[in-house]
Formats: sequence, structure tokens, C-alpha cells
Amino acid sequence: GAGVSQSPSNKVTEKGKDVELRCDPISGHTALYWYRQRLGQGLEFLIYFQGNSAPDKSGLPSDRFSAERTGESVSTLTIQRTQQEDSAVYLCASSLPVTGPNYGYTFGSGTRLTVV
Amino acid sequence: GQQVMQIPQYQHVQEGEDFTTYCNSSTTLSNIQWYKQRPGGHPVFLIQLVKSGEVKKQKRLTFQFGEAKKNSSLHITATQTTDVGTYFCAGEGSNDYKLSFGAGTTVTVRA
Repeated sequence: GAGVSQSPSNKVTEKGKDVELRCDPISGHTALYWYRQRLGQGLEFLIYFQGNSAPDKSGLPSDRFSAERTGESVSTLTIQRTQQEDSAVYLCASSLPVTGPNYGYTFGSGTRLTVV
Repeated sequence: GQQVMQIPQYQHVQEGEDFTTYCNSSTTLSNIQWYKQRPGGHPVFLIQLVKSGEVKKQKRLTFQFGEAKKNSSLHITATQTTDVGTYFCAGEGSNDYKLSFGAGTTVTVRA
């Protein structure tokens, strides 16, 4: 597609429920990243995919968080047994696989997750 | 991985004035990128710097990468209301294929 698409745009869930967030990257972008942004704060790295493998999962906050990617397309981030501290905007970004002039991340509009 | 620090956290600027935001990494970077996030929006890529000492300009914005490839700056001249937002620097390490973002500089402009 023309941009990175994330769904849902907003999600309100009860504490203890599981949620699944979806990211559809730009076609041809083999690298995909998930970041979390709490209100008024910077971007916290969660996980990185190159194709459908995840060489870096170092940012996942706990074992309640998992992510997968189908081939070089859609990725889902799953949060099990949500807690109030999981409330944040979850941003997905995609990029071409190599760095070079003017290569950067293209971010989606994010999923705003609120755990009540 | 590298830690990226950014100052100041907030910048209140009179319209027409200049300002600079600074970014420092704990380790040498392979490249540094800058993003702008408008209020309520998502980060948008501005530029990437790769070479030691590199300077790039985009209209009123000047980006610089330090000689040691551990620091960077963004200088905006003649600030306009359209410059409002949060500017993030983000560094990529030599053996690392993800960006570590600074905490951002949030810019407000007084007309």
C-alpha cells in the first residue's frame, strides 16, 4: 500500500484481557519495527523483523508481549493479560532493508491502547 | 545497545527566532536520523546523516553529524508556527539494525 496501515486506531480493553494489534507495512519494505510511546514520552523499541524472522526481541517488556510476521507483510503484536501500564500508543514502522541516503522509517498512525 | 540523549526537552521560541536541539549517543553510530511528530500525529522522517562531520540543509533546517559520529544537532532559523511539534533524533549502531530514539525536543512557538 501507499503507507503503513495500523488497526485498530483505538482500542479500549479491560484489564486482564488479551489484545491483538495489526500492522500492514509498505509493500517491498522487508524490515518492520514495533515501538511504544507513552503519553508525552519518547519511542520505546519493542521488536524488529527482517522478513518474517525477529533477530531482535530485546525490547519486549515481558512474556505477555509477543509478535509475529507473515512473510514480508502483515505483523501482529499480541499483549496477553493486559495491565494498566500497557496503555500507550503502539507504533509500527517499516523500511527498506539497508540504510542509505534518505532511507528512513515510515511510521503508521499507531494504535492507541487504553486499559481500564 | 546505544543510548541516545536529547536536549532540551522543551523549547519555547518566539516566532522568527532561531533555536538548536542537540543529540548525544553513548556509542559511535553508523547513522543518525531526525523525525518530526506533530501534536496528535506520528513521527515523520526528515533526514538521515551518515558521514562524519556531515551537514545537510532543508530550507530553514540545518542538520549536523559530529566528527566522532556520536552527536548531532538540528538548527532551525526564523522559526514559524508550522515548526511546532516534537523533534526526535534516532541513532543506529554499527551492529544494530534498529533505531534508538532520543526523548525528543517539544517546540512551541509564540506568535
